[in-house]
Amino acid sequence: AQKVTQAQTEISVVEKEDVTLDCVYETRDTTYYLFWYKQPPSGELVFLIRRNSFDEQNEISGRYSWNFQKSTSSFNFTITASQVVDSAVYFCALSESPMDSSYKLIFGSGTRLLVRP
Amino acid sequence: ETGVTQSPTHLIKTRGQQVTLRCSSQSGHNTVSWYQQALGQGPQFIFQYYREEENGRGNFPPRFSGLQFPNYSSELNVNALELDDSALYLCASSPRGHSGNTIYFGEGSWLTVV
Repeated sequence: AQKVTQAQTEISVVEKEDVTLDCVYETRDTTYYLFWYKQPPSGELVFLIRRNSFDEQNEISGRYSWNFQKSTSSFNFTITASQVVDSAVYFCALSESPMDSSYKLIFGSGTRLLVRP
Repeated sequence: ETGVTQSPTHLIKTRGQQVTLRCSSQSGHNTVSWYQQALGQGPQFIFQYYREEENGRGNFPPRFSGLQFPNYSSELNVNALELDDSALYLCASSPRGHSGNTIYFGEGSWLTVV
């Protein structure tokens, strides 16, 4: 069965600190996709990144970076120089790899990030 | 702005009633999925629709049903509402057939069952 674990329920940091959100996943599939979403108080899930299981290259997008390690089944997310606007709930999600992109996401329980001024 | 719109944004229903939630997918997106997010939890997959047919279902009872229309918009219907059905219901859309695509969510419908 597929499962996503986000062990950190809530993290509080002071603005400009770096913060890493952990994500550990379980799957028997050899081909799968991993996602990160941000959920502000409005409720909408904002897409941050999608990574397939064959691409272990780390990715950086501005202040955001992701570390994918198949050996430890982890897909961690780091925010560098955090800002108050980064405060939100962050979800990691896993999907089998359908050829037709019909993703069915399995979400973790989320990590609430609070960035204090 | 994802282009996925949901209505209504908030509603209150009484236990035992029925509710219909609506979703308009992003232009060109022919696959619609519905998720339930209880307070303090991650979203859970309810079901997915493609070409007006159900294409996969999560662990939800039959009183959760859906429809997809020729313009790809969708409805989620819940019968015999229970208190535990109180949650944020999220609609997501994605195109099909391209490996580079992803899935985009609307802002959700907040349902309270009293």
